[in-house]
Amino acid sequence: KAGVTQTPRYLIKTRGQQVTLSCSPISGHRSVSWYQQTPGQGLQFLFEYFSETQRNKGNFPGRFSGRQFSNSRSEMNVSTLELGDSALYLCASSGTGRDTDTQYFGPGTRLTVL
Amino acid sequence: AQTVTQSQPEMSVQEAETVTLSCTYDTSESDYYLFWYKQPPSRQMILVIRQEAYKQQNATENRFSVNFQKAAKSFSLKISDSQLGDAAMYFCAYRHWGTYKYIFGTGTRLKVLA
Repeated sequence: KAGVTQTPRYLIKTRGQQVTLSCSPISGHRSVSWYQQTPGQGLQFLFEYFSETQRNKGNFPGRFSGRQFSNSRSEMNVSTLELGDSALYLCASSGTGRDTDTQYFGPGTRLTVL
Repeated sequence: AQTVTQSQPEMSVQEAETVTLSCTYDTSESDYYLFWYKQPPSRQMILVIRQEAYKQQNATENRFSVNFQKAAKSFSLKISDSQLGDAAMYFCAYRHWGTYKYIFGTGTRLKVLA
């Protein structure tokens, strides 16, 4: 089974721009979660989608948004980028049965905001 | 609110020796899952081991085992016969069974010395 994939792997943007990150979960997985990872804050939960609905949300400003498509692929959007948004953005998917209780992570998208 | 604390930012272990990474958590819930994830320098996060809170028996996966003390809210990871490939960041994570929001600790960087 192919793992979780994320595109692009690296992005460089400037302040004020917006960015869209993409995540394709493991085939059959319907839950997709997003995390922001920074050296100082560790992994911070952004949101989780299941069957195209946002089921859980972390404590991030409204500039961070997401969506999930009918094929379970998910996108995350950050508008009006700030320097502090520079981070590794990780996507994780969960499946059914035992897989429901475990998240499988993608390689991440490294976002640099200049 | 639930929290996960990893009090050891960095640990070192000699190859073939045993090392224990600490994790404590705070929750008022009784049904939850605990996880240890490993993030090697390549950044792909992978699951090491998981523990269901209702199970008294400690989980084991080959050289990896946990010491789960529910009353003390402690969840340590023991790595036996350490190998160079074990060098990575290790994250402890918590998830209440009724939600799909994972809470991660700040991580412990493990160095394995040859």
